[in-house]
Amino acid sequence: QSALTQPASVSGSPGQSITISCTGTNSDVGSYNLVSWYQQHPGKAPKVMIYEVTKRPSGVSNRFSGSKSGNTASLTISGLQAEDEADYYCCSYAGGSTYVFGTGTKVTVL
Amino acid sequence: QVQLVESGGGVVQPGRSLRLSCAASGFTFSTYGLHWVRQAPGKGLEWVAVISYDGSNKYYADSVKGRFTISRDNSKNTLYLQMNSLRAEDTAVYYCAKDLLRGVRRSPGMDVWGQGTTVTVSS
Repeated sequence: QSALTQPASVSGSPGQSITISCTGTNSDVGSYNLVSWYQQHPGKAPKVMIYEVTKRPSGVSNRFSGSKSGNTASLTISGLQAEDEADYYCCSYAGGSTYVFGTGTKVTVL
Repeated sequence: QVQLVESGGGVVQPGRSLRLSCAASGFTFSTYGLHWVRQAPGKGLEWVAVISYDGSNKYYADSVKGRFTISRDNSKNTLYLQMNSLRAEDTAVYYCAKDLLRGVRRSPGMDVWGQGTTVTVSS
């Protein structure tokens, strides 16, 4: 149950697009379309932004999109806004009814 | 509205026990799987445990297996986490979270989270 690997930080200017990667193995990300992404502002609970790799829950902006290729999932934020500044975590089903989170990425809006 | 409220956190000595509770409201509690997720100070999220909608299936992270027990009381709309043999590395904010879809065997994601309860293991 090793954590999925994410870049420690990603930054972009308002209006730009950024992509956060989430690299696992063929035992988790690569084997299941059960990757979700969470946004967490300081001192707050996480909020789901993407589930099942590409699906967006009701109420989440369509500026957020997800994808997967092999053992790597990605979250793209387009039209970056100041309120997008937060920590982002991926999470994947890891087999045996267990789950694993990513290491987390701090997004900075310049 | 849909809500999860954790309680039971506190300061506890190493080796002692603590039980966390998570009270749910605003949804049909007995039809959703539930998770515990924790976050150590300044660190990332760590999945801890999951329980199926009917309580018949329970699974744990290796780091807590054999020490923590997840359970639920569907008559009281409450989720629990019994934590035994606590260690310093169990110090964290503990969140309960609800499966996004009802009755699934594998969680697609967690759509409702509590505000968290803080557990500090220290002598």
